[in-house]
Amino acid sequence: IAGITQAPTSQILAAGRRMTLRCTQDMRHNAMYWYRQDLGLGLRLIHYSNTAGTTGKGEVPDGYSVSRANTDDFPLTLASAVPSQTSVYFCASSDRYRGGGELFFGEGSRLTVL
Amino acid sequence: GENVEQHPSTLSVQEGDSAVIKCTYSDSASNYFPWYKQELGKRPQLIIDIRSNVGEKKDQRIAVTLNKTAKHFSLHITETQPEDSAVYFCAASRTTGGFKTIFGAGTRLFVKA
Repeated sequence: IAGITQAPTSQILAAGRRMTLRCTQDMRHNAMYWYRQDLGLGLRLIHYSNTAGTTGKGEVPDGYSVSRANTDDFPLTLASAVPSQTSVYFCASSDRYRGGGELFFGEGSRLTVL
Repeated sequence: GENVEQHPSTLSVQEGDSAVIKCTYSDSASNYFPWYKQELGKRPQLIIDIRSNVGEKKDQRIAVTLNKTAKHFSLHITETQPEDSAVYFCAASRTTGGFKTIFGAGTRLFVKA
């Protein structure tokens, strides 16, 4: 089934640990995004990538890094997790040239940092 | 930087009534304005969108209006039904330089039967 797959779906993590959230899409979309969702704050953009090999900072990039080695994968890394990074993380993709801008979201990864 | 403000944060209506959600944006270069619906525990999904060269768009019971001069846009849901209960997000983005979509904080809509 075409779409976006995120892993893990849920994780509890000790503060200071390193964590990578995985995101893979099979729609051949060129643009990919990471958002965090916190109650009352909506969806805030962390990092994005317009195409393989390029990345950009969003609204809340501090404490996070991304890479885009190929079209399909866009992992998000927390180098040293802190409790304020407790959130639900959504990966999304869009077809920049043909899709008109619609974002297709993964099912989300719920991360708790203790 | 870019900013999108959304009001109200919570909206409660009686079944059959209309619901209106309003958003303003700061980036004058934004030209694409989607609306997403997120049901409890689910991922956000696009319900309707509008581009800057259009002032209004309608799809059955939902419609969006855009005022580029004032930099605001609205979602209108008519004849609301209990299944319309969800969180709705507006967003603004550019279609050049990457679709860096910025979202509003969301509106939780309750439709009472």
